[in-house]
Amino acid sequence: EADIYQTPRYLVIGTGKKITLECSQTMGHDKMYWYQQDPGMELHLIHYSYGVNSTEKGDLSSESTVSRIRTEHFPLTLESARPSHTSQYLCASRWGLAGITDTQYFGPGTRLTVL
Amino acid sequence: AQKVTQAQTEISVVEKEDVTLDCVYETRDTTYYLFWYKQPPSGELVFLIRRNSFDEQNEISGRYSWNFQKSTSSFNFTITASQVVDSAVYFCALSADSGGGADGLTFGKGTHLIIQP
Repeated sequence: EADIYQTPRYLVIGTGKKITLECSQTMGHDKMYWYQQDPGMELHLIHYSYGVNSTEKGDLSSESTVSRIRTEHFPLTLESARPSHTSQYLCASRWGLAGITDTQYFGPGTRLTVL
Repeated sequence: AQKVTQAQTEISVVEKEDVTLDCVYETRDTTYYLFWYKQPPSGELVFLIRRNSFDEQNEISGRYSWNFQKSTSSFNFTITASQVVDSAVYFCALSADSGGGADGLTFGKGTHLIIQP
């Protein structure tokens, strides 16, 4: 069982607002990830981090940005939210030293709706 | 490039029936890992199983079983005697070390499983 938390769980916000989605894990995992899940269910990697001060863009282009100042914390920010950003955002983490072998554990997700 | 195909978008069965969810993957790597996750209506992704490319043993965990066949690049998931609580979206995913780029999971599009009472 993994301890990874996301807040808020649900967010409804107006166009143009700046928002930050929080993700924290208490397992000391090196690697953290953000996935965006379309209403049609498909998940796409939008950001990842290999450790503190490391951030990279994923396979799907996203207008969001991320930061990794502490190992346990990997927030995602949208400077100006738009309706096209409406989606579910899932955060995940895993150990880094084992290469691809370790399981990614997911947080509960944030359902974002931009009006 | 890696790809995971879950051809079944939605499956509906009556409780107590057995059901198999199909997963076909593509990768050029010889070392890779396959996963199944369950996503109930609440939205979180729950890890079910991990299998590495060198271990083709089938696995059984209670009512769940997995059949990994490298010859057909498939990793199918069977639920025996299904229950209403099994209703969820199930994702198959692949992790492979291609030597560069993101190492996140490549997901299939998911299969929505509906168990009717």
